[in-house]
Amino acid sequence: DVKVTQSSRYLVKRTGEKVFLECVQDMDHENMFWYRQDPGLGLRLIYFSYDVKMKEKGDIPEGYSVSREKKERFSLILESASTNQTSMYLCASYGINTDTQYFGPGTRLTVL
Amino acid sequence: SQQGEEDPQALSIQEGENATMNCSYKTSINNLQWYRQNSGRGLVHLILIRSNEREKHSGRLRVTLDTSKKSSSLLITASRAADTASYFCATRPRDTGRRALTFGSGTRLQVQP
Repeated sequence: DVKVTQSSRYLVKRTGEKVFLECVQDMDHENMFWYRQDPGLGLRLIYFSYDVKMKEKGDIPEGYSVSREKKERFSLILESASTNQTSMYLCASYGINTDTQYFGPGTRLTVL
Repeated sequence: SQQGEEDPQALSIQEGENATMNCSYKTSINNLQWYRQNSGRGLVHLILIRSNEREKHSGRLRVTLDTSKKSSSLLITASRAADTASYFCATRPRDTGRRALTFGSGTRLQVQP
């Protein structure tokens, strides 16, 4: 059974802290994504990666960076967390032979 | 604005009734997908329909696609309380090289027991 896991379900951080969100997939997928989900706005793409060490900006990359050192792991980094980054963060992946995205359970981040 | 827009934003029905959700999009697509999200959880893929298909079935789900109107509908027949969730359409644009799907803002479905 395919699996995408995220390091935390709930996270509370203070303004200015550096925050790491980790995502791991066990399907050998090339493509991995980070979205944020806010009420009324749907899912918005932050960053994606199509290979190890490769990354591309999505629609709302400001205030975020990413790291993909291994194929199975894609990390989202908030260099200096701000209150407007309070949101649900969803990781997803898909392989080259499928168009279906597999999602992790999400991390609800609160920045105080 | 969103590539995919679902309609209605919220829907409340009784168990056993059918639920229909609609999705409109703006650009040409390779395929359109529907996903389901239980409250506070990740999204789960339900069904994919390609641009050259008009209708697809999977269990109690029926999806239609009208590329001339740039719209799709998801029908859930004989709904159950367990179908309560948010439903999102997502599009794979054609000819843009964009690897990510574009999601709409979703329809919240409430099925009353």
